[in-house]
Amino acid sequence: ETGVTQSPTHLIKTRGQQVTLRCSSQSGHNTVSWYQQALGQGPQFIFQYYREEENGRGNFPPRFSGLQFPNYSSELNVNALELDDSALYLCASSLSHKNEQFFGPGTRLTVL
Amino acid sequence: TQLLEQSPQFLSIQEGENLTVYCNSSSVFSSLQWYRQEPGEGPVLLVTVVTGGEVKKLKRLTFQFGDARKDSSLHITAAQPGDTGLYLCAGIPYNFNKFYFGSGTKLNVKP
Repeated sequence: ETGVTQSPTHLIKTRGQQVTLRCSSQSGHNTVSWYQQALGQGPQFIFQYYREEENGRGNFPPRFSGLQFPNYSSELNVNALELDDSALYLCASSLSHKNEQFFGPGTRLTVL
Repeated sequence: TQLLEQSPQFLSIQEGENLTVYCNSSSVFSSLQWYRQEPGEGPVLLVTVVTGGEVKKLKRLTFQFGDARKDSSLHITAAQPGDTGLYLCAGIPYNFNKFYFGSGTKLNVKP
């Protein structure tokens, strides 16, 4: 059984660009959540996908969008990147939207 | 303001000492989870507490869920350098559909 994987591990972008981050959930998990973790802080909830539909969203602007695919893998898209978007982006999967979450290693995004 | 407040924010102790980390909220949670995160990695789940007043032990770590399900604590006995990391509490409060994390407690255990 493979755990949660994320790609890429590191990414450098410039202001105004767009980025897509990818996440493969743990086998059998149908729920994926995305989090942004700034340096020295706890993760902040961006949104969750349950069976391919958005199932809750945090206080993030519309330029943060996502997708979940039939195999339950997921993408996080961020448009018009800003310097403050620099952070570790974490993906977590769970058996359902109420169950324990298991995290991937994260993607470190740097916006210059 | 954070829905889950953790204290202390930072803790630097010598190997062999005991410590307690607190996680407090004004909201009621159906369950709370504790994670440990090392630099450059995702959080790793340590335990989930579900019942008010529940105490769970994981080797030298003892987790407690408050009777009112608004707070939790993590106690480490005889800390070791391998315990170093960021400790996070997290959960979904009643009437919310979002998973909240505390701001974390950064623990450094010196040999």
